[in-house]
Amino acid sequence: NAGVTQTPKFRVLKTGQSMTLLCAQDMNHEYMYWYRQDPGMGLRLIHYSVGEGTTAKGEVPDGYNVSRLKKQNFLLGLESAAPSQTSVYFCASRANLAGVTTGELFFGEGSRLTVL
Amino acid sequence: EDKVVQSPLSLVVHEGDTVTLNCSYEVTNFRSLLWYKQEKKAPTFLFMLTSSGIEKKSGRLSSILDKKELFSILNITATQTGDSAIYLCAVVKGTPLVFGKGTRLSVIA
Repeated sequence: NAGVTQTPKFRVLKTGQSMTLLCAQDMNHEYMYWYRQDPGMGLRLIHYSVGEGTTAKGEVPDGYNVSRLKKQNFLLGLESAAPSQTSVYFCASRANLAGVTTGELFFGEGSRLTVL
Repeated sequence: EDKVVQSPLSLVVHEGDTVTLNCSYEVTNFRSLLWYKQEKKAPTFLFMLTSSGIEKKSGRLSSILDKKELFSILNITATQTGDSAIYLCAVVKGTPLVFGKGTRLSVIA
C-alpha cells in the first residue's frame, strides 16, 4: 500500500548541478502536483499535471521543469540548481471523482534538497 | 489574485486548553476547503468542507465553513502535546489548490 513515493529523500547539490526528483503513485490518480515548502511560507505550487502528457505552471515555476510521460509518474527537474532552491519538496496526487475535483490530496514523504 | 490567509501564524497553549484556528479566503471558482495537520513529514488529511454551516467532527477536532463570509475555523478541544503541529488550510479551485501559510501550534505540558 505505497500511495505516493518520492525519491530521493535527501540530496545535496552544488550550485549549477542538475537533478531530477521522481514521484510515483499507485492509486491511478489523474492529478499530480509538485510543491515546495519553506519556513513560514506554507506550501507553494511549482507545477502540476491533470493527466498523462500534460503539465501546467503553478505559483513558482521558474528554474524547474516537469514531465508526466506515464500516468503514475511525475518528474521534477532542476537544470541548474541555485541556493534559492534549497527547500523541502512534496509531491501529491488527487483523484478526479466523476469530473468533480473536490477530492483530498495524498502527499509523499518529502524530499529535502540542499544547494550549496 | 487568489489568497488564503491563516491566523494566527503561531500559537502556544497549555495542555487542556481549547484553540481556534482561522482560515479566510478569496478564491475564484471555490470547490472545497481542506484542513491538514503536518508534524515532521508529509501533511495528513483532517477534513474536507464543501457546504456552508455543516460541522465536521473527529474526536476533539471539529471544523466549519462559512461560504458567505469566506472563512473556516478549526477547533481543537482539550489539547494534548500530540496536537503540536503545523495546521494547513487549502482551498480547491478546480485543479490547483491554494494553501495558506499554516498555523504552528505548540502545546506545552
